[in-house]
Amino acid sequence: EADIYQTPRYLVIGTGKKITLECSQTMGHDKMYWYQQDPGMELHLIHYSYGVNSTEKGDLSSESTVSRIRTEHFPLTLESARPSHTSQYLCASSGRGYEQYFGPGTRLTVT
Amino acid sequence: GENVEQHPSTLSVQEGDSAVIKCTYSDSASNYFPWYKQELGKGPQLIIDIRSNVGEKKDQRIAVTLNKTAKHFSLHITETQPEDSAVYFCAAVITGGSYIPTFGRGTSLIVHP
Repeated sequence: EADIYQTPRYLVIGTGKKITLECSQTMGHDKMYWYQQDPGMELHLIHYSYGVNSTEKGDLSSESTVSRIRTEHFPLTLESARPSHTSQYLCASSGRGYEQYFGPGTRLTVT
Repeated sequence: GENVEQHPSTLSVQEGDSAVIKCTYSDSASNYFPWYKQELGKGPQLIIDIRSNVGEKKDQRIAVTLNKTAKHFSLHITETQPEDSAVYFCAAVITGGSYIPTFGRGTSLIVHP
């Protein structure tokens, strides 16, 4: 069982609210990732980080931002939530190898 | 960049049957190919992987085959059980590069008891 955690697991929020999705891992992994998973299952990389103070945008354009101040923590923030942000958000990490360890996900609904 | 195609998108089998999911990739530099299983309400989890210097790898009821020339790899599940029902993702990675996998679109496998 991978030691990577996401909170909250479910979130329903109104349009215009600022939200932060939390992701933490206790494996000491340098690399962390955020994916958006659409209802059709496909995984879209929206942000990634190779270590502290390193953040990059992924393939899918996203209005979210991330930070990496500590190795174990990689939060994702939406400054102003919109219905188009409704989705499943998955956090993952990887160490020296290529295997990605995924958290359980946050299901976000913006009304 | 790399492009990974995965088929079928949905696969329905009877318990005890075999299931095969196929993927193709475009970049010949890709040399690591993991398969992930995502159960309902959970994140994907690695179930098996194969490197480009190997043609086949088995782990109990699951196996993966790789054809580098044709740039395709497949997941085989034998004697399927209801607990095999999940979404399966293939991926391709260029080791020594960005470490970021290119995922296929996923296959929803349904095993009927």
